[in-house]
Amino acid sequence: SQQGEEDPQALSIQEGENATMNCSYKTSINNLQWYRQNSGRGLVHLILIRSNEREKHSGRLRVTLDTSKKSSSLLITASRAADTASYFCATDANSGYALNFGKGTSLLVTP
Amino acid sequence: NAGVTQTPKFQVLKTGQSMTLQCAQDMNHEYMSWYRQDPGMGLRLIHYSVGAGITDQGEVPNGYNVSRSTTEDFPLRLLSAAPSQTSVYFCASQGASYNSPLHFGNGTRLTVT
Repeated sequence: SQQGEEDPQALSIQEGENATMNCSYKTSINNLQWYRQNSGRGLVHLILIRSNEREKHSGRLRVTLDTSKKSSSLLITASRAADTASYFCATDANSGYALNFGKGTSLLVTP
Repeated sequence: NAGVTQTPKFQVLKTGQSMTLQCAQDMNHEYMSWYRQDPGMGLRLIHYSVGAGITDQGEVPNGYNVSRSTTEDFPLRLLSAAPSQTSVYFCASQGASYNSPLHFGNGTRLTVT
């Protein structure tokens, strides 16, 4: 069954603003990953955070993980119109392969 | 590198027809998987493979078959298409390292009438 659930389902912001998306999951994990999907395309891996990590940065992305609350957040700073996409969290299953995905957050960044 | 290649990009089937969705990767990845994506449902795992000759079921395997005769290819077969199988299908591959990210193809959009 699906493990992660993103919140909000949809988010609309203006360029330059920060976008925060949250993910909650149900069972213990070894790692949590975030992916991005542009319309009509496959998912692209953004960042992975291990269960023993609390925060990770990659460019304008910041991911946090709170294993006690079984939740993660993805922060995109200084959003650009090109960040418009759907964002998914995914947790490891089946010994780390073939991830379980949430339903995604649809982000719209307007100029 | 081409990465993960899926064919065809689009397909329309009539109920009861069968077809094979092709997936090939050129990254020498051991692990491959198939997902379907439906509006409001996110991605759901259909089948996955941890190496040539080894496959297993995911969350929604009914109506689908897979085989893995080579490392590169992981075809998904629809045995008798049903309208409920109308969806976008994504193939993904993954390196052997435990925390390797998934690499996705661009999907096959299937409509069953």
